Amino acid sequence: AQTVTQSQPEMSVQEAETVTLSCTYDTSESNYYLFWYKQPPSRQMILVIRQEAYKQQNATENRFSVNFQKAAKSFSLKISDSQLGDTAMYFCAFPSIQGAQKLVFGQGTRLTINP
Amino acid sequence: SAVISQKPSRDICQRGTSLTIQCQVDSQVTMMFWYRQQPGQSLTLIATANQGSEATYESGFVIDKFPISRPNLTFSTLTVSNMSPEDSSIYLCSVGGTDQPQHFGDGTRLSIL
Repeated sequence: AQTVTQSQPEMSVQEAETVTLSCTYDTSESNYYLFWYKQPPSRQMILVIRQEAYKQQNATENRFSVNFQKAAKSFSLKISDSQLGDTAMYFCAFPSIQGAQKLVFGQGTRLTINP
Repeated sequence: SAVISQKPSRDICQRGTSLTIQCQVDSQVTMMFWYRQQPGQSLTLIATANQGSEATYESGFVIDKFPISRPNLTFSTLTVSNMSPEDSSIYLCSVGGTDQPQHFGDGTRLSIL
């Protein structure tokens, strides 16, 4: 079974700093997608970024980027120039089996951006 | 991306009662998913709702407790039956294509007294 591990339960940084959230996963598949979701206190799940495993280039969305290390099965999220609105729970997610639509989620990292 | 409307947004219920949560999508989708998020926890998949067939439940979840309907390609309901305080959670529906990101409704925050 696929597993996703986020080893940082909580993180806190000052506004405008850069922060990296870690995620590791376990799979025997060769081609898959990985996702980062953000859940602010409003509880809505918001897609932050996704990475396709067959692409060597790391995905980037504005201030959000990933460091994807396929061999190490690592998928970290970097937030640059952090803003107060980035305060949220962040979840790494992964399809439970190849080609499946249902996701398995990591335990989450609670990120707080301090003014 | 699909726009997903979920109702109710929150509710407070008495133990032993049942609540039905609705999920409406603005486009036709093959599969819809129902997740549970217990307080302070991550999301756990309850079941996959397939149009025209019975829902597929994950280990630890049963149809008698969480009956699901999927009458058409844009709508699904999840019922939480015979509720107890342990059912207090956020329930979320989502839709997504194969190897595509899933998009979520705003969730239903359920509290059981």
